[in-house]
Amino acid sequence: GAGVSQSPSNKVTEKGKDVELRCDPISGHTALYWYRQSLGQGLEFLIYFQGNSAPDKSGLPSDRFSAERTGGSVSTLTIQRTQQEDSAVYLCASSRSSGRSSYNEQFFGPGTRLTVL
Amino acid sequence: AQSVTQPDIHITVSEGASLELRCNYSYGATPYLFWYVQSPGQGLQLLLKYFSGDTLVQGIKGFEAEFKRSQSSFNLRKPSVHWSDAAEYFCAATGGGNKLTFGTGTQLKVEL
Repeated sequence: GAGVSQSPSNKVTEKGKDVELRCDPISGHTALYWYRQSLGQGLEFLIYFQGNSAPDKSGLPSDRFSAERTGGSVSTLTIQRTQQEDSAVYLCASSRSSGRSSYNEQFFGPGTRLTVL
Repeated sequence: AQSVTQPDIHITVSEGASLELRCNYSYGATPYLFWYVQSPGQGLQLLLKYFSGDTLVQGIKGFEAEFKRSQSSFNLRKPSVHWSDAAEYFCAATGGGNKLTFGTGTQLKVEL
């Protein structure tokens, strides 16, 4: 079946502009994650959605970052007033339900490369 | 704080040689441990995972990893490296079933 898809694959924007990054998880996966991969910082957790529960936003670096997940499926990561340090690859992953006492494999999308000029 | 450390940023091996990539973790309790591989322009692919039980775990593409509690390590090994193994390798951990903490990655170069 189809894997996790992300769009766009590449995004170039000017400093100060807003950007939206999209993630389509694997059908039936109730958990969805966003990570950021940047030079010098490696891979960092940003936000996690699990079903209808309140998302875990503990990894969002500032209030310019937000994410939503509509209908328990597609997710959008929004970065407002982009800064050059936001340049990175943004990876999305999905899994079957995960919780404190269980783990289901996270399947990653190919990522969106964001460049802020 | 929970952390995963990969001390080697770059490693170069000859094709056919053995490989060991190091990973150390710092967690309050034994976490779930993973190795992922990322080829250029590709997403992360899970190679193997350790939850509990047998400390030597087998993965895809001929990789294995050994969990050593006394050393807080989960090193990745392969007896004979192929040119197609050139990629970046990430060790990761989770303590509670959801968000992963990643190491900074090891870039593997394979010399023919």
